Amino acid sequence: NAGVTQTPKFQVLKTGQSMTLQCAQDMNHEYMSWYRQDPGMGLRLIHYSVGAGITDQGEVPNGYNVSRSTTEDFPLRLLSAAPSQTSVYFCASSYSGLSGREDEQFFGPGTRLTVL
Amino acid sequence: EDQVTQSPEALRLQEGESSSLNCSYTVSGLRGLFWYRQDPGKGPEFLFTLYSAGEEKEKERLKATLTKKESFLHITAPKPEDSATYLCAVPNSGYALNFGKGTSLLVTP
Repeated sequence: NAGVTQTPKFQVLKTGQSMTLQCAQDMNHEYMSWYRQDPGMGLRLIHYSVGAGITDQGEVPNGYNVSRSTTEDFPLRLLSAAPSQTSVYFCASSYSGLSGREDEQFFGPGTRLTVL
Repeated sequence: EDQVTQSPEALRLQEGESSSLNCSYTVSGLRGLFWYRQDPGKGPEFLFTLYSAGEEKEKERLKATLTKKESFLHITAPKPEDSATYLCAVPNSGYALNFGKGTSLLVTP
């Protein structure tokens, strides 16, 4: 198993540009999520999905869109990049977020995004 | 509001010098407390999940314990390869993890 994969590993954008961060998992996990990690702020949830066709907002959703057309893929779209979106982005997945005894979340290697 | 606070922010140990990292939490209806290790430039790597007060789990030089208000990550006789940032997290009322800001551990030879 490859686990959770993310592409690209690094990206530089200009203000106003759009792009999609890719995330895929091969563990047949229902639950997937996107976090951003900033110095001094810890990991913060952007969007999450509890299954194909179902998405919801996390703590910091503004400026980002997601969709979940398959179990495997959960792309994150930046509609019009801003310098405040400079961060490291992590995708994570787990078997279920609904068990009552929470399952381990597996994290991808991250995408380092710089917006100029 | 659910909160997770880790201390200290940074810790420097000499090889072999044991110590503990603290994670205090305020959450109603704990559904697990997670410990992760994060190396520079990489994603968090799962270490432990604890579900009830009094529970303990061990992995090599690491032992995690849980009380009703906090968790400790004990590091016994650490080695330089244990240097990393250690994160703790609890599930929030929804479907995601609330992370603490982490403890950055440096173990020197």
